[in-house]
Amino acid sequence: DTGVSQNPRHKITKRGQNVTFRCDPISEHNRLYWYRQTLGQGPEFLTYFQNEAQLEKSRLLSDRFSAERPKGSFSTLEIQRTEQGDSAMYLCASSFPRGNYGYTFGSGTRLTVV
Amino acid sequence: AQTVTQSQPEMSVQEAETVTLSCTYDTSESDYYLFWYKQPPSRQMILVIRQEAYKQQNATENRFSVNFQKAAKSFSLKISDSQLGDAAMYFCAYRSARTGTASKLTFGTGTRLQVTL
Repeated sequence: DTGVSQNPRHKITKRGQNVTFRCDPISEHNRLYWYRQTLGQGPEFLTYFQNEAQLEKSRLLSDRFSAERPKGSFSTLEIQRTEQGDSAMYLCASSFPRGNYGYTFGSGTRLTVV
Repeated sequence: AQTVTQSQPEMSVQEAETVTLSCTYDTSESDYYLFWYKQPPSRQMILVIRQEAYKQQNATENRFSVNFQKAAKSFSLKISDSQLGDAAMYFCAYRSARTGTASKLTFGTGTRLQVTL
C-alpha cells in the first residue's frame, strides 16, 4: 500500500461544468475525510465517511457538492455547476477510527474554475 | 467549537539553528490530541509529531519536539538543527478524543518556515 492516492492532480474547468475527483485511501483505514484548502489557509473539513456511511457534512458543503464511498473503499467528490469560488485544493485523508493516529493525506486535487 | 490559532504567518531560521513555532487552541474538552503537520511545496501533508492531552510528557521525534502547556492551551513546535528540507508550511491541528464524533482535524492557518544558509 503506497498511501492515499488522489486523481486527477490538477483540473481546470469552465464555470458551470461538473467535476468529479477520486480518492483511494489506505486499505486498512475505515475513515475517509475530504478537506478543502485555499491559498494561504489551513485545510477546512468538508465531510467524512466511516466505511461506506457518510456520517458528517460541513456547512461548507453546499448542495452542489456530493460525496460517495461505495463499498467503503474509494471515494468520489463531485461538484456540480462549478463556480469560481470553488477553486481550491481538495485534499483527501484516511485514518483509523480513533486514537492518537493522525491522518494520512493524499497529494490533493488542484481545481481551477475559469 | 474548537479553534486553532497560529499567530506567526512566516518564520525564518538559519541552517543548523533552532526555531520555535507557536500554536494556541481553544476547547472545552479535556481529552484530545494535538498534531503538527508539514506541507512542503509538493503539497502533501506529512505528520510531524503528535501529543495526547492526557500525557504530561512532551512528545519528541528526532529533531522535533513540542512544548505542551495544557492549562495555557499552548502547543509549540521546536525544530532543532534546522535543515534546508525543513522549509515548508507547518500546520497545528486539534482532534477530539470523544467517541462518537467525526474525529475531524481542525487546523490553524499555518506558519511558513524558511531555512536560510
